[in-house]
Order: sequence, then C-alpha cells, then structure tokens
Amino acid sequence: AQSVTQLDSHVSVSEGTPVLLRCNYSSSYSPSLFWYVQHPNKGLQLLLKYTSAATLVKGINGFEAEFKKSETSFHLTKPSAHMSDAAEYFCVVITFSGTYKYIFGTGTRLKVLA
Amino acid sequence: GAVVSQHPSWVICKSGTSVKIECRSLDFQATTMFWYRQFPKQSLMLMATSNEGSKATYEQGVEKDKFLINHASLTLSTLTVTSAHPEDSSFYICSARGDRTFHFYGYTFGSGTRLTVV
Repeated sequence: AQSVTQLDSHVSVSEGTPVLLRCNYSSSYSPSLFWYVQHPNKGLQLLLKYTSAATLVKGINGFEAEFKKSETSFHLTKPSAHMSDAAEYFCVVITFSGTYKYIFGTGTRLKVLA
Repeated sequence: GAVVSQHPSWVICKSGTSVKIECRSLDFQATTMFWYRQFPKQSLMLMATSNEGSKATYEQGVEKDKFLINHASLTLSTLTVTSAHPEDSSFYICSARGDRTFHFYGYTFGSGTRLTVV
C-alpha cells in the first residue's frame, strides 16, 4: 500500500532563510508524488508534482523537491522563506483502488518569523 | 486552466436541517470528483468518490445516508449533509479530476466550505 510520512508537524524559519519540509514515501511501484499548500480556510493549491520524469522538480513560488528513490524521500525546499509562505503543506502520493486516489500526509505547518 | 469552484464558502445551519454544498469544474470536464472532510489542524479525510452518472463510492465509516453525493453532470457534484448535527461541523473540500487536465494539474481542489451546525 502507498503511504507518505511527513516527518515534522511544525517547522519554524526566519524570513529569508531556507525552508526544508520532509516527506518519506512508501510505495510498491514507482510513485506519483505531489506537494500541496493550504492557507487558512482555503482549498489546496498544487506546488509541484513528480511523475517519474526528472527527479528534481521545480514548482511555483520558488519551491522545488527532489525525488530520491534510494532514500524513499521527496523533501520540499525553498532557498529563501517569505512571510507569505506561512501555511500548511501536504505531501501526497497517489494510489490506485478502483480509481486513482490521493493519500495525504498529516501535514506540516510552516511558520515564518519576521 | 483546471479551476474548481466550491460554494458556499461558509454556512451556518440549525441542528436537524440539511445543507447542500456545490462543487463545479469551471473550465474542464470532471469525470471523477472527490469529497474530503478536514478537522481543525488535521489532514484531509476522503469521504467519497463520485463518477458522473453513477453512484458514489463511500469510504469505510462514512454514512452514505447522511452525506448524500450527486454527480449528475461532468461539471457539477453536490454534497448534501442531511439532518446535520453539531458533530458534522467541519471543513469540507471537493476535488476534481479531468482526464485532460490531470497530467498537468493533478486533482484540482475547491476552496472549501466551513460548515457550522448550531
């Protein structure tokens, strides 16, 4: 069965410093992985996705993630945090059970300090 | 492309009444739509999957008679919370899959509906 584990429930960084949000996956086949961001009382916005093409994936707003099969990881990074990055981030893997379904991680709340 | 509109954004209703939430794909045809529930500071829990023109498939533990899902067209799915009670208060989010948009956007999410039952 496919699953994702987000290793940190909360991450705090200072504005202008790098962001690292960690996600490990478990999959019996080559996974499709996504990172989504959710601002308070809002829906989810796609940041980036990995679907077995390039292992380094660039997304919106300066975010990127690297798929590392040997480490079963798909960590999200950004070189310099901005106050507007403060939000909840979800790592997602797709599973197939009659139809393709998203399996969500538990989320990481990013706090950006001025 | 791949925009999903969800209405209302928030709703307050009295206990015992029913509430309908709409999820529309604005610029693509959504062959499959999903309904999620999210409790405060928690992840999303899949409630059900609906395909246009067929009955929804509910996840284990979700009461199908309480959470009625209709997917009558390729652009509209509705979730009706029947005889709502305070424990049904939650944030409900829909997402949609378009066969042509999935490759680029994955599943597209609505902006969510905050339901408060008093």
